[in-house]
Amino acid sequence: NAGVTQTPKFQVLKTGQSMTLQCAQDMNHEYMSWYRQDPGMGLRLIHYSVGAGITDQGEVPNGYNVSRSTTEDFPLRLLSAAPSQTSVYFCASSIDRDTDTQYFGPGTRLTVL
Amino acid sequence: GDSVTQMEGPVTLSEEACLTINCTYTATGYPSLFWYVQYPGEGLQLLLKATKADDKGSNKGFEATYRKETTSFHLEKGSVQVSDSAVYFCALSGTMNRDDKIIFGKGTRLHILP
Repeated sequence: NAGVTQTPKFQVLKTGQSMTLQCAQDMNHEYMSWYRQDPGMGLRLIHYSVGAGITDQGEVPNGYNVSRSTTEDFPLRLLSAAPSQTSVYFCASSIDRDTDTQYFGPGTRLTVL
Repeated sequence: GDSVTQMEGPVTLSEEACLTINCTYTATGYPSLFWYVQYPGEGLQLLLKATKADDKGSNKGFEATYRKETTSFHLEKGSVQVSDSAVYFCALSGTMNRDDKIIFGKGTRLHILP
């Protein structure tokens, strides 16, 4: 198993550009989520999904969209990038939310100029 | 609402020192509790977990006991190594709020000096 994979590893955008961060898992996990990690802020939940076709907002959803058309994939879209979205983004998955381990991808470091 | 509070870092210790990183939580019901570790340049990975009161999670010499009476899940290790230098996150899930969110603390950076 590859686990949770994320692409790209690094990305530089200009303000106003759009892009999609890719996340995939091959463990047949129902629960997937996106976090951003900023210095002094820890991890903040952006969006999450409890299964294909179901998504919901986390703590900081503004400026981001997600969809979950398959169990495996959970892309994160930045509609119009802003410097405030400069961060490290982590995707995670688990069998379910309650008791199971969260498996994290290696992260995408995004810089918005 | 549900929350996790952990001690602020950075924490700097000498090799072979004893470690305690405090974590307390606020939650409805009976959440599961976790410690995750993030090594430099990597994603988070599960270090240990406990799913009910008085359970003790352990891994790699680290331990934490689920204390419902004090709503705590402190991380301990008797003798730290340089390779333990990382950021440690306390987390909870499965509360009665049922809002399907996993809640993380802000992380504690640990530096171990040789």
